[in-house]
Amino acid sequence: ETGVTQSPTHLIKTRGQQVTLRCSSQSGHNTVSWYQQALGQGPQFIFQYYREEENGRGNFPPRFSGLQFPNYSSELNVNALELDDSALYLCASSPPGDRNTEAFFGQGTRLTVV
Amino acid sequence: DQQVKQNSPSLSVQEGRISILNCDYTNSMFDYFLWYKKYPAEGPTFLISISSIKDKNEDGRFTVFLNKSAKHLSLHIVPSQPGDSAVYFCAAWYNQGGKLIFGQGTELSVKP
Repeated sequence: ETGVTQSPTHLIKTRGQQVTLRCSSQSGHNTVSWYQQALGQGPQFIFQYYREEENGRGNFPPRFSGLQFPNYSSELNVNALELDDSALYLCASSPPGDRNTEAFFGQGTRLTVV
Repeated sequence: DQQVKQNSPSLSVQEGRISILNCDYTNSMFDYFLWYKKYPAEGPTFLISISSIKDKNEDGRFTVFLNKSAKHLSLHIVPSQPGDSAVYFCAAWYNQGGKLIFGQGTELSVKP
């Protein structure tokens, strides 16, 4: 049983560019959530995907968007990158009917915007 | 608006002693709370949880206490071990939107 994997682990982008982060959910998990963790802060909820549809969204602008694929893997896309988007982006997957108690996090993608 | 707060950014404890990490919340609608542990370069790992119908939940060396009237919870680690050194996040489950709301984290250092 593989865990949650995210790619890439690190990347550097220039302000104004676009970025796509990827997440493979744990086997059997159909719900994927994305979080942004700024330095010195706790993770902040971006959005959640369930059965390929957005199932809840945090206080993030529309330039943050996502996708979930039939195999439950997911992408986070950020357009028009800003310096403040520099953060650790975490993906978490959880099985059906769960309160995220069993949410498993990936190791994260460290994004630096310069 | 920080709905979940961990007011101590760091805590240092001697090996074998008790570690107490605290967390406060503001939203009385929260009914489920979780603690996560995070090592550098790894994602958060679920540690222990508690439902609002309980005031205590225990799992080995880890115990979480919930005081609903004070909107306060705490994680006790007894005895503390050097391997417990990590950042600990308190989180509340928010049913609307299916999301976890995290505190800022407390970095625990357990010294041998």
